[in-house]
Amino acid sequence: GEDVEQSLFLSVREGDSSVINCTYTDSSSTYLYWYKQEPGAGLQLLTYIFSNMDMKQDQRLTVLLNKKDKHLSLRIADTQTGDSAIYFCAEKQAAGNKLTFGGGTRVLVKP
Amino acid sequence: DTGVSQNPRHKITKRGQNVTFRCDPISEHNRLYWYRQTLGQGPEFLTYFQNEAQLEKSRLLSDRFSAERPKGSFSTLEIQRTEQGDSAMYLCASSYRGGKNTEAFFGQGTRLTVV
Repeated sequence: GEDVEQSLFLSVREGDSSVINCTYTDSSSTYLYWYKQEPGAGLQLLTYIFSNMDMKQDQRLTVLLNKKDKHLSLRIADTQTGDSAIYFCAEKQAAGNKLTFGGGTRVLVKP
Repeated sequence: DTGVSQNPRHKITKRGQNVTFRCDPISEHNRLYWYRQTLGQGPEFLTYFQNEAQLEKSRLLSDRFSAERPKGSFSTLEIQRTEQGDSAMYLCASSYRGGKNTEAFFGQGTRLTVV
Protein backbone atom coordinates (compact mmCIF):
# COMPACT_ATOMS: atom_id res chain seq x y z
CA GLY A 1 0.00 0.00 0.00
CA GLU A 2 0.95 3.61 -0.15
CA ASP A 3 2.63 5.35 2.75
CA VAL A 4 4.24 8.78 2.82
CA GLU A 5 6.25 9.92 5.84
CA GLN A 6 7.59 13.30 6.84
CA SER A 7 9.31 14.71 9.89
CA LEU A 8 6.95 16.78 12.01
CA PHE A 9 8.81 20.00 12.62
CA LEU A 10 11.68 22.13 11.32
CA SER A 11 13.02 25.35 12.80
CA VAL A 12 15.29 27.56 10.70
CA ARG A 13 16.74 31.04 10.92
CA GLU A 14 15.74 33.65 8.37
CA GLY A 15 18.23 33.68 5.50
CA ASP A 16 19.37 30.10 6.04
CA SER A 17 18.40 27.16 3.81
CA SER A 18 15.63 24.77 4.85
CA VAL A 19 15.56 21.13 3.85
CA ILE A 20 12.34 19.17 4.26
CA ASN A 21 12.50 15.42 3.81
CA CYS A 22 9.93 12.88 2.73
CA THR A 23 9.97 9.13 2.21
CA TYR A 24 7.42 7.05 0.34
CA THR A 25 6.90 3.36 -0.15
CA ASP A 26 5.19 2.97 -3.52
CA SER A 27 7.73 2.33 -6.26
CA SER A 28 5.07 2.93 -8.94
CA SER A 29 4.80 6.63 -8.06
CA THR A 30 4.92 8.73 -11.21
CA TYR A 31 4.78 12.27 -9.89
CA LEU A 32 5.84 13.65 -6.53
CA TYR A 33 4.59 17.00 -5.30
CA TRP A 34 5.27 19.61 -2.67
CA TYR A 35 2.39 21.68 -1.35
CA LYS A 36 2.40 24.56 1.15
CA GLN A 37 -0.43 25.23 3.59
CA GLU A 38 -0.73 28.38 5.66
CA PRO A 39 -3.00 28.51 8.74
CA GLY A 40 -6.67 28.08 7.89
CA ALA A 41 -5.98 27.97 4.16
CA GLY A 42 -6.05 25.41 1.39
CA LEU A 43 -3.04 23.85 -0.28
CA GLN A 44 -0.78 25.78 -2.61
CA LEU A 45 1.14 23.75 -5.17
CA LEU A 46 4.82 24.71 -4.94
CA THR A 47 6.49 22.32 -7.34
CA TYR A 48 6.48 18.75 -8.57
CA ILE A 49 8.92 16.30 -10.08
CA PHE A 50 8.41 13.43 -12.47
CA SER A 51 9.77 10.13 -11.24
CA ASN A 52 12.36 9.81 -14.01
CA MET A 53 14.06 13.01 -12.88
CA ASP A 54 16.45 13.33 -9.97
CA MET A 55 16.47 17.09 -9.55
CA LYS A 56 14.33 20.09 -10.34
CA GLN A 57 15.07 23.72 -9.54
CA ASP A 58 12.52 26.50 -9.50
CA GLN A 59 13.79 29.86 -8.19
CA ARG A 60 14.46 29.34 -4.45
CA LEU A 61 13.15 25.78 -4.50
CA THR A 62 15.19 22.68 -5.29
CA VAL A 63 13.62 19.24 -5.32
CA LEU A 64 15.84 16.18 -5.08
CA LEU A 65 14.52 12.68 -5.77
CA ASN A 66 16.34 9.47 -4.90
CA LYS A 67 14.12 6.89 -6.48
CA LYS A 68 16.23 3.96 -5.29
CA ASP A 69 15.78 4.99 -1.66
CA LYS A 70 12.29 6.44 -2.27
CA HIS A 71 13.40 9.71 -0.72
CA LEU A 72 12.26 13.17 -1.73
CA SER A 73 13.51 16.47 -0.38
CA LEU A 74 12.63 20.13 -0.79
CA ARG A 75 15.31 22.74 -0.23
CA ILE A 76 14.25 26.34 0.24
CA ALA A 77 17.13 28.78 -0.23
CA ASP A 78 17.28 32.07 1.69
CA THR A 79 14.30 31.15 3.85
CA GLN A 80 11.98 34.05 4.68
CA THR A 81 9.44 34.52 7.47
CA GLY A 82 6.72 34.17 4.85
CA ASP A 83 7.91 30.60 4.30
CA SER A 84 6.59 29.63 7.74
CA ALA A 85 3.85 27.10 6.98
CA ILE A 86 3.14 23.38 6.82
CA TYR A 87 4.68 21.61 3.86
CA PHE A 88 3.18 18.41 2.47
CA CYS A 89 4.74 15.99 0.09
CA ALA A 90 2.42 13.85 -1.99
CA GLU A 91 2.79 11.06 -4.48
CA LYS A 92 0.67 10.01 -7.42
CA GLN A 93 0.69 6.46 -8.67
CA ALA A 94 0.83 5.39 -12.27
CA ALA A 95 -2.49 3.58 -11.99
CA GLY A 96 -4.90 6.04 -10.48
CA ASN A 97 -5.48 9.70 -10.04
CA LYS A 98 -5.48 10.36 -6.34
CA LEU A 99 -2.68 11.94 -4.37
CA THR A 100 -1.38 10.31 -1.19
CA PHE A 101 -0.09 12.89 1.25
CA GLY A 102 2.37 12.79 4.09
CA GLY A 103 1.42 14.17 7.48
CA GLY A 104 3.12 17.50 6.84
CA THR A 105 6.22 19.25 8.19
CA ARG A 106 5.66 22.43 10.13
CA VAL A 107 8.40 24.93 9.25
CA LEU A 108 9.02 27.82 11.61
CA VAL A 109 11.29 30.60 10.39
CA LYS A 110 12.85 32.66 13.17
CA PRO A 111 14.03 36.20 12.51
CA ASP B 1 -10.64 34.82 -9.52
CA THR B 2 -10.08 31.77 -11.67
CA GLY B 3 -9.02 29.37 -8.91
CA VAL B 4 -10.97 26.55 -7.29
CA SER B 5 -13.83 28.00 -5.25
CA GLN B 6 -15.47 26.28 -2.28
CA ASN B 7 -18.57 27.32 -0.35
CA PRO B 8 -19.19 27.79 2.43
CA ARG B 9 -15.80 28.44 4.00
CA HIS B 10 -17.06 27.45 7.44
CA LYS B 11 -20.01 25.38 8.58
CA ILE B 12 -21.11 24.62 12.12
CA THR B 13 -23.86 22.06 12.45
CA LYS B 14 -25.51 20.00 15.13
CA ARG B 15 -24.91 16.29 15.23
CA GLY B 16 -27.47 14.45 13.14
CA GLN B 17 -28.06 17.26 10.66
CA ASN B 18 -27.29 17.04 6.95
CA VAL B 19 -24.80 19.38 5.32
CA THR B 20 -23.89 20.09 1.70
CA PHE B 21 -20.73 21.71 0.37
CA ARG B 22 -20.12 23.07 -3.08
CA CYS B 23 -16.98 23.16 -5.20
CA ASP B 24 -16.49 25.12 -8.42
CA PRO B 25 -13.37 23.89 -10.20
CA ILE B 26 -11.10 25.85 -12.47
CA SER B 27 -12.90 26.41 -15.74
CA GLU B 28 -12.24 23.63 -18.28
CA HIS B 29 -10.73 21.31 -15.68
CA ASN B 30 -12.34 17.96 -16.31
CA ARG B 31 -11.11 16.23 -13.15
CA LEU B 32 -12.40 17.06 -9.70
CA TYR B 33 -11.33 15.58 -6.36
CA TRP B 34 -12.58 15.71 -2.79
CA TYR B 35 -10.21 15.27 0.16
CA ARG B 36 -10.70 15.42 3.90
CA GLN B 37 -8.12 16.85 6.27
CA THR B 38 -8.34 16.43 10.04
CA LEU B 39 -6.33 18.54 12.44
CA GLY B 40 -2.61 17.84 12.29
CA GLN B 41 -2.91 15.40 9.40
CA GLY B 42 -2.37 15.45 5.69
CA PRO B 43 -5.34 15.40 3.32
CA GLU B 44 -6.95 12.01 2.65
CA PHE B 45 -8.56 11.16 -0.66
CA LEU B 46 -12.35 10.75 -0.66
CA THR B 47 -13.50 10.62 -4.27
CA TYR B 48 -12.72 11.67 -7.82
CA PHE B 49 -14.73 12.66 -10.91
CA GLN B 50 -13.78 12.82 -14.52
CA ASN B 51 -16.39 15.06 -16.11
CA GLU B 52 -19.67 13.89 -14.57
CA ALA B 53 -18.55 10.32 -13.88
CA GLN B 54 -17.51 9.37 -10.36
CA LEU B 55 -14.61 7.04 -11.10
CA GLU B 56 -13.12 6.30 -7.70
CA LYS B 57 -14.32 6.33 -4.10
CA SER B 58 -12.25 5.80 -0.96
CA ARG B 59 -13.25 3.40 1.79
CA LEU B 60 -13.40 6.56 3.93
CA LEU B 61 -16.53 7.57 2.03
CA SER B 62 -19.19 5.88 4.12
CA ASP B 63 -22.78 5.55 2.96
CA ARG B 64 -23.59 8.81 4.76
CA PHE B 65 -21.44 10.64 2.22
CA SER B 66 -22.50 11.31 -1.34
CA ALA B 67 -20.85 13.39 -4.02
CA GLU B 68 -22.23 14.52 -7.34
CA ARG B 69 -21.05 16.41 -10.35
CA PRO B 70 -24.20 16.48 -12.47
CA LYS B 71 -23.06 18.56 -15.43
CA GLY B 72 -19.36 17.94 -15.23
CA SER B 73 -18.73 21.40 -13.81
CA PHE B 74 -19.38 22.14 -10.11
CA SER B 75 -19.62 19.38 -7.55
CA THR B 76 -21.47 18.93 -4.27
CA LEU B 77 -20.51 16.80 -1.28
CA GLU B 78 -23.34 15.91 1.09
CA ILE B 79 -22.95 14.40 4.53
CA GLN B 80 -26.10 12.96 6.07
CA ARG B 81 -26.67 12.46 9.78
CA THR B 82 -23.42 14.19 10.69
CA GLU B 83 -21.28 12.84 13.52
CA GLN B 84 -18.62 14.59 15.58
CA GLY B 85 -15.98 12.54 13.79
CA ASP B 86 -16.95 14.27 10.55
CA SER B 87 -15.46 17.52 11.84
CA ALA B 88 -12.64 18.31 9.43
CA MET B 89 -11.58 20.52 6.56
CA TYR B 90 -13.06 19.32 3.27
CA LEU B 91 -10.85 20.21 0.34
CA CYS B 92 -11.71 20.21 -3.32
CA ALA B 93 -9.13 20.11 -6.12
CA SER B 94 -9.29 20.11 -9.89
CA SER B 95 -6.94 19.21 -12.71
CA TYR B 96 -6.98 18.89 -16.46
CA ARG B 97 -6.48 15.55 -18.13
CA GLY B 98 -4.62 15.95 -21.36
CA GLY B 99 -2.22 18.65 -20.33
CA LYS B 100 1.53 18.12 -20.19
CA ASN B 101 1.48 17.73 -16.45
CA THR B 102 -0.93 16.60 -13.80
CA GLU B 103 -1.03 19.51 -11.41
CA ALA B 104 -3.98 19.48 -9.05
CA PHE B 105 -5.06 22.87 -7.73
CA PHE B 106 -6.83 23.06 -4.40
CA GLY B 107 -9.52 25.35 -3.11
CA GLN B 108 -9.48 27.07 0.28
CA GLY B 109 -11.56 24.32 1.82
CA THR B 110 -14.76 24.13 3.86
CA ARG B 111 -14.18 23.71 7.57
CA LEU B 112 -16.95 21.63 9.15
CA THR B 113 -17.53 21.62 12.89
CA VAL B 114 -20.11 19.18 14.24
CA VAL B 115 -21.29 20.04 17.75
